[in-house]
Amino acid sequence: QKEVEQDPGPLSVPEGAIVSLNCTYSNSAFQYFMWYRQYSRKGPELLMYTYSSGNKEDGRFTAQVDKSSKYISLFIRDSQPSDSATYLCAMTYNQGGKLIFGQGTELSVKP
Amino acid sequence: GAVVSQHPSRVICKSGTSVKIECRSLDFQATTMFWYRQFPKQSLMLMATSNEGSKATYEQGVEKDKFLINHASLTLSTLTVTSAHPEDSSFYICSARDFRLPMAKNIQYFGAGTRLSVL
Repeated sequence: QKEVEQDPGPLSVPEGAIVSLNCTYSNSAFQYFMWYRQYSRKGPELLMYTYSSGNKEDGRFTAQVDKSSKYISLFIRDSQPSDSATYLCAMTYNQGGKLIFGQGTELSVKP
Repeated sequence: GAVVSQHPSRVICKSGTSVKIECRSLDFQATTMFWYRQFPKQSLMLMATSNEGSKATYEQGVEKDKFLINHASLTLSTLTVTSAHPEDSSFYICSARDFRLPMAKNIQYFGAGTRLSVL
């Protein structure tokens, strides 16, 4: 079993839809959670960073962490074609430790 | 935000030659940098952790003599693929951590990646 599971998709939605991206994990020691966006043939860019359980909102993006269920989510409101990319969840359990990445979900937002 | 520059973005070389990839932190000092490899439609695979002034720590299964890492300064790490072969063709990405902010210790900022094609 992988430490972090993420549905690879692809996920296709119409412009303006609400998108829900999810990851589950097995190691209860994970405390720091991140979402990265990666455009084709580019390096990942940080979207959201959260510590422990709870919600964090930044513009159209909301990150949720449910440590009791070992489940994290990224919601994208009013999705745009420019949101079409691969979204990677990542997490670590100690300060400065290695990041463990999910497989990435490929998202396509159709105009 | 922290900016990481990676060069070159694309390289094509003949089998048997060596290729050097540079990773620079532009507006911060990075005591630790990371090197990843990514195959099409797959996630990032950590190859090694590069620490300034000391030897890199390689992940299991990664040949240290094949992938030479040097982190000679606080803003520059290099990855050299020695005697490259077609199976080394891949997308290589570096990242760095910015320790200026306590809560940022776990965030890695990525370069744009280098696409290596070995003929």
